[in-house]
Amino acid sequence: QVQLQESGPGLVKSSETLSLTCTVSGGSISSYSWSWIRQPPGKGLEWIGYIYYSGSANYNPSLKSRVTISIDTSMNQVSLKLSSVSAADTAVFYCARYSKSSHYNYYYMDIWGKGTTVTVSS
Amino acid sequence: DIQLTQSPSSLSASVGDRVTITCRASQSITTYLNWYQQNPGKAPKLLIYAASSLQSGVPSRFSGSGSGTDFTLTISSLQPEDFATYYCQQSYSTLLTFGQGTRLEIK
Repeated sequence: QVQLQESGPGLVKSSETLSLTCTVSGGSISSYSWSWIRQPPGKGLEWIGYIYYSGSANYNPSLKSRVTISIDTSMNQVSLKLSSVSAADTAVFYCARYSKSSHYNYYYMDIWGKGTTVTVSS
Repeated sequence: DIQLTQSPSSLSASVGDRVTITCRASQSITTYLNWYQQNPGKAPKLLIYAASSLQSGVPSRFSGSGSGTDFTLTISSLQPEDFATYYCQQSYSTLLTFGQGTRLEIK
């Protein structure tokens, strides 16, 4: 079955750029959208953005100026870049498949990676 | 942005209890509302999509209802593995949002 695996540095210095990769296995990255979500320690879920397999993306307005999500269909990977990080960006980062139901246009995140913890240090 | 407000923020209940969690949207989202369950240290898991459709493999004791701005997630008879945090999420807008979460604890 389809599995997602997030990877990247667990420690990033303040003001630098956080870069993460989500590798999709067991299925094709095409025909789906892919989302990034983060969860600060002890807090709730925050949507970061998602990208369609075509390459167009939508971002959380509060992060839009610092976020870039890209897709590499040849590698079956989705990438996240978050620039100018601070301690407030310390979180568990998840990637998730953003699927569309077979009828109507209902979208939901049906498959999630296990998440990767990123700590921003000063 | 569409804001989602869940109530209560936390809830204590016993095995076998019937529990209801509410999610209210700041504007009508018709039925573009999903529910997720998250256990400590784990990734969220999709339970309900389109307000009331049960995701494949999810036990039938979970159900969702509502439309417009008011939605509910009901667990008909709590099992030990159901003690977790629950989140609603809207997909009406291309800018997605989650509720703040409801923590369900053992009484």
